[in-house]
Formats: sequence, C-alpha cells, structure tokens
Amino acid sequence: GENVEQHPSTLSVQEGDSAVIKCTYSDSASNYFPWYKQELGKRPQLIIDIRSNVGEKKDQRIAVTLNKTAKHFSLHITETQPEDSAVYFCAATNQAGTALIFGKGTTLSVSS
Amino acid sequence: EPEVTQTPSHQVTQMGQEVILRCVPISNHLYFYWYRQILGQKVEFLVSFYNNEISEKSEIFDDQFSVERPDGSNFTLKIRSTKLEDSAMYFCASSGGEWGYTFGSGTRLTVV
Repeated sequence: GENVEQHPSTLSVQEGDSAVIKCTYSDSASNYFPWYKQELGKRPQLIIDIRSNVGEKKDQRIAVTLNKTAKHFSLHITETQPEDSAVYFCAATNQAGTALIFGKGTTLSVSS
Repeated sequence: EPEVTQTPSHQVTQMGQEVILRCVPISNHLYFYWYRQILGQKVEFLVSFYNNEISEKSEIFDDQFSVERPDGSNFTLKIRSTKLEDSAMYFCASSGGEWGYTFGSGTRLTVV
C-alpha cells in the first residue's frame, strides 16, 4: 500500500527564516497531496494542497512543489513567524483514492 | 464556515466496554471518514464511507469496529470491546468530493 515518508521530524528556525519540509510517496497512482498543520490538542487543518497535474502552488508565505517523476513533494514556508510553530503533516491519496495516508509529521519550532 | 462536529470531546471507558463516537459531517458532503491518532504519532486512516456503505477500510479497522449512518446527519464509529491500545484521538472527516477534507475537532478516547 501507499507509504509516505516525511523529513525532518523536527525543525527549528529563527523568525524570518524559511522552513522546508519534504515528503516522498510510494504509489505512483497518488494524485492529491495536502499539507496539514496541527497545533497541540487540536484537529489537523488544511493549509495548502496540490493535485498531480500541477507542479507548484503558492498561497502567500506558503508554497508546495510536486515532482511526480521522483515521487516527492515539499512544503516551503517563508518569513516564518512564532505562530507557525506546530506539527506539520503531509499526506497522499492511496491507490484507490479513497483515503489519505499521512507522513509521521514535522515539529516546527520558530523562535523569535 | 461549516464544521464537522464530534461528540463527546473526551470519553473514558473501561477495557472491554463498547463505545460509540459520534460525528455530524458537513451537510452537503458525500464522503465520510474516520481517522485515529495515537498520542504523539501520525494520523492513521481507519475507514471511508460513501453512498451508505464502506468504500475502504484499513487493517486497523477489524471486526471490533463498525460505522453507521443511522440518519441523514449522524455518522458513528463503534468499538465493540475496547482495548487499552484503542486509546487515541479519533477524528471524523468529511468531503464534498474526493478531496478537500474537513476534520472534526476529535474525540479523545481513554481506555482504562
């Protein structure tokens, strides 16, 4: 079945720096790749997503890139702020397209 | 903004007891899901539900688990005989199409 690997598991940056989180997936049939932000004790919240027919998508300080050939996708956060501190999860659809398979998460800490 | 509502927010149960977790998906959504997250770990897919039947389930979703849509608004997850390892946060999600999930705020299940 689909397997999603996410790196790094923890990331510490200074306020204003950029942060990059990378994921790889195993199933070439995956066609949807969302990123979720989860604050402690709260639900995962969708921050950006990309579909397989697009290589890059940007929303203000957040961007996602997708390389279908290499089966990897990345989250880029520019000008980080302390409120960006959270756990970030990548996900990819499974072969049937009926479920999201999540990575193990990246704990991002932004210090001011 | 429409929300997925889950009740209760926290449930404590004795090992071997049955529990029912309840969810009210967004009203015009067609796809419903249950995920679980053991403390400090990734979000794991349990089951997807469409057109009043299970469309896919993971290996976690064994015979102890069942889902039901008893009326036009509720979506429930039942665990027949809870085990200690069932302790986790359970998230319900819904989507209008195959993508774009909205997660509920979760039910924290503690089995003692």
